[in-house]
Amino acid sequence: SYVLTQPPSVSVAPGTTATFSCGGVSFGTQGVHWYRQKPGQAPVLIIYYDNMRPSGIPERIAGSISGNTATLTISRVEAGDEADYYCQVWDSHSAHYLFGGGTRLTV
Amino acid sequence: QVDVVQSGTEVKKPGSSVKVSCKASGNTFNNYAFGWVRQAPGQGLEWMARIIPSHGLIIYAQKFQGRVTINADKSTNTVYMALNSLRSDDTAVYYCVRVVTGSGTDWFDPWGQGTQVIVSS
Repeated sequence: SYVLTQPPSVSVAPGTTATFSCGGVSFGTQGVHWYRQKPGQAPVLIIYYDNMRPSGIPERIAGSISGNTATLTISRVEAGDEADYYCQVWDSHSAHYLFGGGTRLTV
Repeated sequence: QVDVVQSGTEVKKPGSSVKVSCKASGNTFNNYAFGWVRQAPGQGLEWMARIIPSHGLIIYAQKFQGRVTINADKSTNTVYMALNSLRSDDTAVYYCVRVVTGSGTDWFDPWGQGTQVIVSS
């Protein structure tokens, strides 16, 4: 299986935009998914299929993919967005689910 | 809406085994897969196993092959994960997840509340 690479940390000011990268996505991967994990809580799905938002996730959270890098963008960042963010894929060749190492957002 | 509720904290000795349970609410148990993901203290997420209860199909992460067992009881909508030959580095929070299957990919939603497993002599 391959490795998904995420920067360990991102720091932004309130009201600005935070961008999270997930590199190393294999050609042919059918979708990248993103989770938010606040301290002491279980992860929550915030983006699936590269750019789809589950019910209840605000439009200021968006996903995209270009080449072998997926990107999560949070606009108008709030203090409540402080969390760890993980990308995830299904690797059909190895029949494994893969996670990136996660990125911690500091606001 | 489906929820997954897990069993409570476990404290185990090195070399022993642990079995964690996850009960799914709702009437969609047979329409989904379920899996286990763990998170060691201060570390990231690590997938361990997945089962499709309706078919009994199981896959394991290579890292845990031979040490982990996943099974499901369709009569009680409960999924179990057993891990044997425990070591101190198995100390982690273990999450049960419902696996949502899309076209060529799967994602995890929702997640259980997590079960703390502590391995200590």
